[in-house]
Amino acid sequence: EAGVVQSPRYKIIEKKQPVAFWCNPISGHNTLYWYRQNLGQGPELLIRYENEEAVDDSQLPKDRFSAERLKGVDSTLKIQPAELGDSAVYLCASSSTGVASYTFGSGTRLTVV
Amino acid sequence: QKEVEQDPGPLSVPEGAIVSLNCTYSNSAFQYFMWYRQYSRKGPELLMYTYSSGNKEDGRFTAQVDKSSKYISLFIRDSQPSDSATYLCAMNPTSGSRLTFGEGTQLTVNP
Repeated sequence: EAGVVQSPRYKIIEKKQPVAFWCNPISGHNTLYWYRQNLGQGPELLIRYENEEAVDDSQLPKDRFSAERLKGVDSTLKIQPAELGDSAVYLCASSSTGVASYTFGSGTRLTVV
Repeated sequence: QKEVEQDPGPLSVPEGAIVSLNCTYSNSAFQYFMWYRQYSRKGPELLMYTYSSGNKEDGRFTAQVDKSSKYISLFIRDSQPSDSATYLCAMNPTSGSRLTFGEGTQLTVNP
């Protein structure tokens, strides 16, 4: 079974440019999460989807970040415009029922220069 | 104050040593407690989880939760060089809700 797939793996952009990350969750997982992990820190949730609905986006900086999960499967996270402080690893995770199903992808490492 | 505190290390031990990793937390609503292992440039991988208080053992790994003290631990017996990674504790109030992570402990097991 394929795990959570994220692309790209790495992205380097100049500040003020837009950037987008893509996530394909595990088949059958209704819940999808985007986390941000700063260097030397644990991941922090940006947004959680139950199917197509964003049910927890309290930590998403809505002035520059947006996300969508069309048809309740794949998801895209966008930053526009990017700032230097956005440099981090962006992790996607998905889950069904049960704690053990909570699975992370390998992440997208973003560097803003 | 952070909801979850974890000693960042780094921690360096010889092969075969017993390793103890710990987290404290402040939110009484947390019910599920997880330990993740993260290798360099990889996503976190679930090692073990515990619901409420108690102990759980899986091979060389033992997880303990003491809700009265708001303290969780992960023990690794007979540590191996392949155990070298960052270990993250995480917890949430309900299954599937947001995870609150500690900052991770970097462990190196030397051959």
